[in-house]
Amino acid sequence: QQQVKQSPQSLIVQKGGISIINCAYENTAFDYFPWYQQFPGKGPALLIAIRPDVSEKKEGRFTISFNKSAKQFSLHIMDSQPGDSATYFCAASSQAGTALIFGKGTTLSVSS
Amino acid sequence: GAVVSQHPSWVICKSGTSVKIECRSLDFQATTMFWYRQFPKQSLMLMATSNEGSKATYEQGVEKDKFLINHASLTLSTLTVTSAHPEDSSFYICSALREMGYNEQFFGPGTRLTVL
Repeated sequence: QQQVKQSPQSLIVQKGGISIINCAYENTAFDYFPWYQQFPGKGPALLIAIRPDVSEKKEGRFTISFNKSAKQFSLHIMDSQPGDSATYFCAASSQAGTALIFGKGTTLSVSS
Repeated sequence: GAVVSQHPSWVICKSGTSVKIECRSLDFQATTMFWYRQFPKQSLMLMATSNEGSKATYEQGVEKDKFLINHASLTLSTLTVTSAHPEDSSFYICSALREMGYNEQFFGPGTRLTVL
């Protein structure tokens, strides 16, 4: 019940396209859903996060869509750029402040 | 804001020696910090939760006597890998919890440990 399932494992998108990464969770107590971006050899960087009281959050080219009834959330990267090529992790936690449960990650490659 | 540093960024040591890794929150205080381990092309695995002024909470399967955690101040947590062996070679990443309205975790840049 602690799992966060992330798909796809890898993704190739053309420059200017939309990248979509999906996550599903099981624990209905989760109330914090962040996305992290990680470049090789670096720590994860917080990209954007959402809480269950809203269905969508947008920051620049990055949008989280959240479906509470389906227990799913997704990251949309608009106008994908080669600099977006990285590994993306979704995560979830209950009672903000507790340890995050991470998805397995998605390696995104944006071709120019 | 919300910067977390780690030191060293990489370390090579001989088998049997101990290595200390520092995690600092530079521009905020963190009562809670977390230590993760990451193998190549894999996700982050939580090792332990570090709370300032109290004992760390270790995840199942993590040897507390091998991975010593000390959270001595609101801006510093340390992870000491004792009697390191080659199988301890990994990428160790810490995160710090910023409690401002709602809580967010910010990660350090990671420490690459290689045990020869």
